[in-house]
Amino acid sequence: KAGVTQTPRYLIKTRGQQVTLSCSPISGHRSVSWYQQTPGQGLQFLFEYFSETQRNKGNFPGRFSGRQFSNSRSEMNVSTLELGDSALYLCASRRTSLSSYNEQFFGPGTRLTVL
Amino acid sequence: ELKVEQNPLFLSMQEGKNYTIYCNYSTTSDRLYWYRQDPGKSLESLFVLLSNGAVKQEGRLMASLDTKARLSTLHITAAVHDLSATYFCAVDGGGTSYGKLTFGQGTILTVHP
Repeated sequence: KAGVTQTPRYLIKTRGQQVTLSCSPISGHRSVSWYQQTPGQGLQFLFEYFSETQRNKGNFPGRFSGRQFSNSRSEMNVSTLELGDSALYLCASRRTSLSSYNEQFFGPGTRLTVL
Repeated sequence: ELKVEQNPLFLSMQEGKNYTIYCNYSTTSDRLYWYRQDPGKSLESLFVLLSNGAVKQEGRLMASLDTKARLSTLHITAAVHDLSATYFCAVDGGGTSYGKLTFGQGTILTVHP
């Protein structure tokens, strides 16, 4: 069974630009969450999407947005990039059925560097 | 707001020794996870702990959960070099925050020969 996939794996952007990251969940998983990992702040929750609806949101500015498509694939967008947005962005998927542990499985991440 | 604290943050161990990583969290939750991260890699799921008194073991690692004390432990038995990595605990927010994980700072484990 294929795991969570994320594209691209590496990105270099300059301040002020915008970026879109993509995540394909494990087949059958309907929830996709996004996390940001930085050396200073650690792992922080960005948002979760389920059935194309944002279900939870972390404490990030409105420059960070996301969406989910009918096939459960998700994208996140960061507009007006700042140097502090340089991070590893991790996507996680889970099944969300009542009988499962609802364990989140993480993708390989997208390493974003803002210059 | 849910807060999760791990200690120690850095752990240097000799091979063959035992040690425990602690994970404390601030509000009630019935769902706690342990993950491993190798340098430059993503998070690998180790354990899912769902109820008070839950204990899970895999190889040299054993995790437990005490929901009343809001404490989870990850015990390492007879450490080997391959266990060198960063270990994170993560707590599910529950209720309206179900599925939102709050992570500890991570424990960087280095096992020396």
